[in-house]
Amino acid sequence: DVKVTQSSRYLVKRTGEKVFLECVQDMDHENMFWYRQDPGLGLRLIYFSYDVKMKEKGDIPEGYSVSREKKERFSLILESASTNQTSMYLCASSLLGAEAFFGQGTRLTVV
Amino acid sequence: GIQVEQSPPDLILQEGANSTLRCNFSDSVNNLQWFHQNPWGQLINLFYIPSGTKQNGRLSATTVATERYSLLYISSSQTTDSGVYFCAVTRRSGANSKLTFGKGITLSVRP
Repeated sequence: DVKVTQSSRYLVKRTGEKVFLECVQDMDHENMFWYRQDPGLGLRLIYFSYDVKMKEKGDIPEGYSVSREKKERFSLILESASTNQTSMYLCASSLLGAEAFFGQGTRLTVV
Repeated sequence: GIQVEQSPPDLILQEGANSTLRCNFSDSVNNLQWFHQNPWGQLINLFYIPSGTKQNGRLSATTVATERYSLLYISSSQTTDSGVYFCAVTRRSGANSKLTFGKGITLSVRP
């Protein structure tokens, strides 16, 4: 079974903090994705990566950066957390053009 | 970008009833998936179905790629079927395979 693991289920951070959300997959997938989910807005793509050290902006990259130093790990970084980044964050991975699998999600609250 | 529309946005059923959830998309796709979001927020894979028909227990799905829609059928619904159902597609171009989601269908099954 494919396993995508996000480092935290729940996270509370202060405004202005630098926040790291980690995602690890165990199936040697090329693609990895970060989405955020907000009520009424559905899932929106923040960034994705199709190979080590490769990244592309999604629909809402502002305020975020990413890092992919190893194939199995994709990190989402909030450089200076703000209250409007309070959200559910979901990580996914897939082979090129194939079925995607999601982690359990991280509920981030910025106070 | 590609547009994904799901209908109806909300659905209330009595336990034991059948239902059909629809997903329309605006362009050719090479990947279509149906997910169920559980109460804890995780997206559970239901079907990977870029075309054709698949069945898994009480659930089945059909995608008619030429007409740009997919249907998810739930038969003999149970309270545990409650939650949000998402359709997501990958456009038929490029190697990056990012998934674009619909807004979701919220299903409530009453005992």
